[in-house]
Amino acid sequence: SDEVTQPPSVSVSPGQTASITCSGDKLGDKYVCWYQQKPGQSPVLVIYQDTRRPSGIPERFSGSSSGNTATLTISGTQTMDEADYYCQAWKSSSDVVFGGGTKLTVL
Amino acid sequence: QVTLKESGPVLVKPTETLTLTCTVSGFSLTNGRLGVSWIRQPPGKALEWLAHIFSNGEKSYSTSLKSRLTVSKDTSKSQVVLNMTNMDPVDTATYYCARIPAALAGTAYDYWGQGTLVTVSS
Repeated sequence: SDEVTQPPSVSVSPGQTASITCSGDKLGDKYVCWYQQKPGQSPVLVIYQDTRRPSGIPERFSGSSSGNTATLTISGTQTMDEADYYCQAWKSSSDVVFGGGTKLTVL
Repeated sequence: QVTLKESGPVLVKPTETLTLTCTVSGFSLTNGRLGVSWIRQPPGKALEWLAHIFSNGEKSYSTSLKSRLTVSKDTSKSQVVLNMTNMDPVDTATYYCARIPAALAGTAYDYWGQGTLVTVSS
């Protein structure tokens, strides 16, 4: 299957570490990236090529990949990090797949 | 400054064809291995990739929607156009265009448009 799966929701207390997973067949063979989307806004790239952080993204955002699971980790989570997070990979040389999204609640 | 902006109708009737335009600035559609994708998001739901076109003219479409989609570009106008035929209420969504930079070719979208909400209703 070319699907990628994320947990629908994750909750974390302020200051703690949040982890959001993205799983799929042969995901380990592909680069995974992560987007943050706040209500009413366009997605923002926070991690690309599994582990790289774009300029301007806080260091508390990090990515990792092992086997067929990629993970977005937010260390020292802040209330401003509350958002939906989507993973994305390329199914083949030309097609794109997004995960179903994870709603991160900080409370 | 890189920007992308979607434009098109806010309301279309069932069975009609939707035409959306993505006007870009701050970069050229002829540069290296750069691409622009169309992505949509129904209200309250996840992102769904639709299609993309690269600077060399290479195109790709979502397998499930391939028969209804056409993507093209007009480099002189810095525009990428998406046509979707036979619109249905389930196609109601915010439609985004996003850039695939040459440096990240095949990996991620670094800039997104603001999105345009298209409602399909009679």
